[in-house]
Amino acid sequence: EVQLLESGGGLVQPGESLRLSCAASGFTFSSYAMTWVRQAPGKGLEWVSSISGGGGNTYFADSVKGRFTISRDNSKNTLFLQMNSLRAEDTAVYYCAKDLHPTAWGQGSLVTVSS
Amino acid sequence: DIQMTQSPSSLSASVGDRVTITCRASQGISDYLAWYQQKPGKVPKLLIYAASTSQSGVPSRFSGSGSGTDFTLTISSLQPEDVATYYCQKYNSAPFTFGPGTKVDIK
Repeated sequence: EVQLLESGGGLVQPGESLRLSCAASGFTFSSYAMTWVRQAPGKGLEWVSSISGGGGNTYFADSVKGRFTISRDNSKNTLFLQMNSLRAEDTAVYYCAKDLHPTAWGQGSLVTVSS
Repeated sequence: DIQMTQSPSSLSASVGDRVTITCRASQGISDYLAWYQQKPGKVPKLLIYAASTSQSGVPSRFSGSGSGTDFTLTISSLQPEDVATYYCQKYNSAPFTFGPGTKVDIK
C-alpha cells in the first residue's frame, strides 16, 4: 500500500523559511516523479512543484519560482520542499503526491504564514 | 503557459441524473489530462488519467473523453456519495496546472 506522510508544517512569519518532508513507502520511490500540490483555505488545488524520479529535473509554478526548492533523497525514500521568503498567500495545506498526475496523496501539512 | 478552464463552476443534479463536466485547455495537450474528485474535508483522489483511462477501483459510472483541447468527465448516474469538487489537470509539460474545479451537489 502506498503511503505518503508529510511533516514540517506550522506557523511562520512572512519572510521566514520552512522545510516540508514527505516520507514515502509502499512503492519503488526512485522510479516515480513526485509532486507538491497546495490548497489554500476554501480554494482549489494549485500545482506547486514536481521532480523527476532521479531528481535531475525540477519544475515550479511561477508563484513559487525562485523561492521554493524541491529535492529528494532516494536512499531514504523522502521528498522535500524548501520554502523561503514565505508570504501570506503561501498559506495552505501542502500535499505530497506520487507522480505528475498524482495517483496517491498524503494527508497534507498545514503551512500558515502570518504575523 | 496553457490555461485550464472548467464548466460549469457548480451544478446541482438529482440522484440518477447524468452529469457532464467540461475541461478546456487553451492549447492542445493531446490526451495528457487527468480528473480528480475531492470530497469535502478529504484528500483528492485520481479518477481518470490519459483523458479516458479509469484508475483502478473507480466506479464504472465515471468516464472521461476528449483529446487536444476539449475534455469531459461524465457521471452516468449521479449517486449521493459523488458530492464533491472535481478538478482536471494537464500533465503534458510543466506547469502541470489544475482547472478551477466544478462543485457537484445533489438537488
